[in-house]
Amino acid sequence: AQKITQTQPGMFVQEKEAVTLDCTYDTSDQSYGLFWYKQPSSGEMIFLIYQGSYDEQNATEGRYSLNFQKARKSANLVISASQLGDSAMYFCAMRDTITGGGNKLTFGTGTQLKVEL
Amino acid sequence: DTGVSQDPRHKITKRGQNVTFRCDPISEHNRLYWYRQTLGQGPEFLTYFQNEAQLEKSRLLSDRFSAERPKGSFSTLEIQRTEQGDSAMYLCASSLEGGLNEQFFGPGTRLTVL
Repeated sequence: AQKITQTQPGMFVQEKEAVTLDCTYDTSDQSYGLFWYKQPSSGEMIFLIYQGSYDEQNATEGRYSLNFQKARKSANLVISASQLGDSAMYFCAMRDTITGGGNKLTFGTGTQLKVEL
Repeated sequence: DTGVSQDPRHKITKRGQNVTFRCDPISEHNRLYWYRQTLGQGPEFLTYFQNEAQLEKSRLLSDRFSAERPKGSFSTLEIQRTEQGDSAMYLCASSLEGGLNEQFFGPGTRLTVL
């Protein structure tokens, strides 16, 4: 079974600083995909960034980048130049192929990020 | 693109009552997913539809839960004889086939069972 571990329940960062949110995963599959989602207090899950297991380069999307270390089974999210609006819950998730070609997501427990002035 | 919508956003019910939630996916998405999220946890997969066919159900989906997607568009999730342990956020997501299969989530329905 796939498992996602996020060991940081809460993180604080000062505005304009960079922050790294940790994620480790466990899977026996050779082909897999990793996602990061942001969940503000409103509750909606917002897709941030994706990394495929065969991607040779780390994914980047604006101020978000993914530090993918395949041998260590880690996929840490780096947010550069933090903004107050980045304060939210962040979830790491892994894609698991299911019947009919669909993909369910297995999520970690999340990290609550608070950006301070 | 209006995004995924869910109705209602909040539902308070008494133990033993039945409740039904609705999800309208992004119009061109043929895949639809239901997840449940309890306090302090990440979402957990409940069930998956491709068009109108329900292809996968989690063991979390007890026989009190039923989901439908009759015309391959909107979906409903019904919980019969609600229990206090059913209190959670119920999230719906949709995706296209192929590519990243990136799932777009709705705002969720927060259920409180008294």
